[in-house]
Amino acid sequence: KNQVEQSPQSLIILEGKNCTLQCNYTVSPFSNLRWYKQDTGRGPVSLTIMTFSENTKSNGRYTATLDADTKQSSLHITASQLSDSASYICVVIPLPNTGNQFYFGTGTSLTVIP
Amino acid sequence: GAGVSQSPSNKVTEKGKDVELRCDPISGHTALYWYRQRLGQGLEFLIYFQGNSAPDKSGLPSDRFSAERTGESVSTLTIQRTQQEDSAVYLCASSMERDNEKLFFGSGTQLSVL
Repeated sequence: KNQVEQSPQSLIILEGKNCTLQCNYTVSPFSNLRWYKQDTGRGPVSLTIMTFSENTKSNGRYTATLDADTKQSSLHITASQLSDSASYICVVIPLPNTGNQFYFGTGTSLTVIP
Repeated sequence: GAGVSQSPSNKVTEKGKDVELRCDPISGHTALYWYRQRLGQGLEFLIYFQGNSAPDKSGLPSDRFSAERTGESVSTLTIQRTQQEDSAVYLCASSMERDNEKLFFGSGTQLSVL
């Protein structure tokens, strides 16, 4: 059973609009949660990291939130650009972390159209 | 180089042939991971190397899959007697020991088995 579920599976939005991607997880306890962006034909790149004590963190037009009580995280993209078109992957790292345990979501495919 | 380098970027092979995929991690990164990503699916853990410790091979799907790493440098993933279900993108990632939760990915090798 996948312990990290992402929604929606895919999303199409107009350039300039905002959107929010969701990540629900059952991994417990956890060390931290990361959002990665994967452009087509490329490997994932880390966007932001959330520790269990953090509620929100911003990285430019990207804002991640975390509710450790409900085990939910969201990634909000403001004023979307065509270059935001990519797959966004939520990754949860458990405690203890032996160094090779990463729980990957299946990703949300975002398409930004002009 | 500055990032994780993988080669070849694309590989087309016939069913039953052996293939070898290469990964050059970021210099100084002690941890190296191989993942498989099937179309529309999440990342599937294959194998993990950490320094000179014995690798974690628990994710390898069959004995047709093997991987080696020379010290803390290059790694090769070998798939023997390839099958059509082996078609996927094979991603390599590396991380620093002191921050082993942030993965740096290569662009992957797209393997197509005809």
